[in-house]
Amino acid sequence: DIQMTQSPSSLSASVGDRVTMTCRASQRIRSHLNWYQRKPGKAPKLLIFAASSLQSGVPSRFSGSGSGTDFTLTISSLQPEDSADYYCQQSYSTPYIFGQGTKLEIK
Amino acid sequence: EVQLVESGGGLVQPGGSLRLSCAASGFTLSSYWMHWVRQAPGKGLVWVSRINSDGSSTNCADSVKGRFTISRDNAKNTLYLQMNSLRVEDTAVYYCARDPDSNGFSAMDVWGQGTPVTVSS
Repeated sequence: DIQMTQSPSSLSASVGDRVTMTCRASQRIRSHLNWYQRKPGKAPKLLIFAASSLQSGVPSRFSGSGSGTDFTLTISSLQPEDSADYYCQQSYSTPYIFGQGTKLEIK
Repeated sequence: EVQLVESGGGLVQPGGSLRLSCAASGFTLSSYWMHWVRQAPGKGLVWVSRINSDGSSTNCADSVKGRFTISRDNAKNTLYLQMNSLRVEDTAVYYCARDPDSNGFSAMDVWGQGTPVTVSS
């Protein structure tokens, strides 16, 4: 199975900050990497698919990059509503493992 | 409105069975792959199972292999998860999710609100 490791496990930043979190796959997955946002009491929301494609309706402050084993989710200017858990997920081969998540808090 | 609504969750004893349903509306289920994902209390998201658009191909996580079966009835616009031999560690909120499998890239673009499953004696 392909394992996914996210870092950091948690981070705290201020409104307006540029925030970056990373996801590393245990083997090469080309660009088969998705990012999801999860807020308490709400269903997960797809932010980025195929490593760098912005899902329709997602604010342009979110962006994804990377290929192979190393991937990044960036929020260019943090907003209060971005407080959430963020998960990466590989979709290269089943089982489609999720990372353990990064908890993002607003200072 | 595109929507997925799960049902069928509840309290069950270890060794028992449940069948979850996921009703799709606002889109044609037969055009999409579908997934089940779960989240245990205080834990992260865990992929459970996947089924292709016509139901001819399925995959599942090792932790549920031989116990859980994913299926679909496209005529009824409904996805199912039959869960047998349930264990305490299967306790979680179960989500169904849609996958357009766009250009060979799988991603879950629409999710239901989830149905809770509690396995306890």
